[in-house]
Amino acid sequence: GENVEQHPSTLSVQEGDSAVIKCTYSDSASNYFPWYKQELGKRPQLIIDIRSNVGEKKDQRIAVTLNKTAKHFSLHITETQPEDSAVYFCAASGARGSYIPTFGRGTSLIVHP
Amino acid sequence: EAGVTQFPSHSVIEKGQTVTLRCDPISGHDNLYWYRRVMGKEIKFLLHFVKESKQDESGMPNNRFLAERTGGTYSTLKVQPAELEDSGVYFCASSRLGGVENLNTEAFFGQGTRLTVV
Repeated sequence: GENVEQHPSTLSVQEGDSAVIKCTYSDSASNYFPWYKQELGKRPQLIIDIRSNVGEKKDQRIAVTLNKTAKHFSLHITETQPEDSAVYFCAASGARGSYIPTFGRGTSLIVHP
Repeated sequence: EAGVTQFPSHSVIEKGQTVTLRCDPISGHDNLYWYRRVMGKEIKFLLHFVKESKQDESGMPNNRFLAERTGGTYSTLKVQPAELEDSGVYFCASSRLGGVENLNTEAFFGQGTRLTVV
């Protein structure tokens, strides 16, 4: 089955800096890659996703890039703010028609004011 | 639209007892997933329903775990008898079927049930 590795496990940045979280996946047939943000005590919520037919997608301060050849995808947050502090999870799905998202271990992002 | 709801939000039980978790998915979402997260680790897949059918239960740890989805609506996850290692946050998520191209769609999560077995 699919295996998703996520790094780093913890990321600490100063407000205004950029943050990058990287994930790799094992199944080259995966074609959907969502990113979820989980704030303390709340449910994981989708913040951005990308499909395998595109290499980059941007939404205001967040962007995701996908390298299908290398089987890795990354989340980029620019001009970080304290409210960006949360746990971020990457996921991969779609291989062989499966809907099941396989998640990474999560990255705890701390943005210091 | 109403989101995915889970009950209870917290449960503390003794080893050997039984606990039943409930998940109400978003109306119209045929896909329903159960996941578990142990502190600091990944959100680990347990099983997947499409409507009332178990599509994939390869992530269920053992036969102490039983999931059902009556009539393709809400789902329950029963742990009997509970063991210490069953502690964690149990998430339910739901999504729409992707249509003829089988395109994956966003999975919406419930707030989770924090299970503590003592």
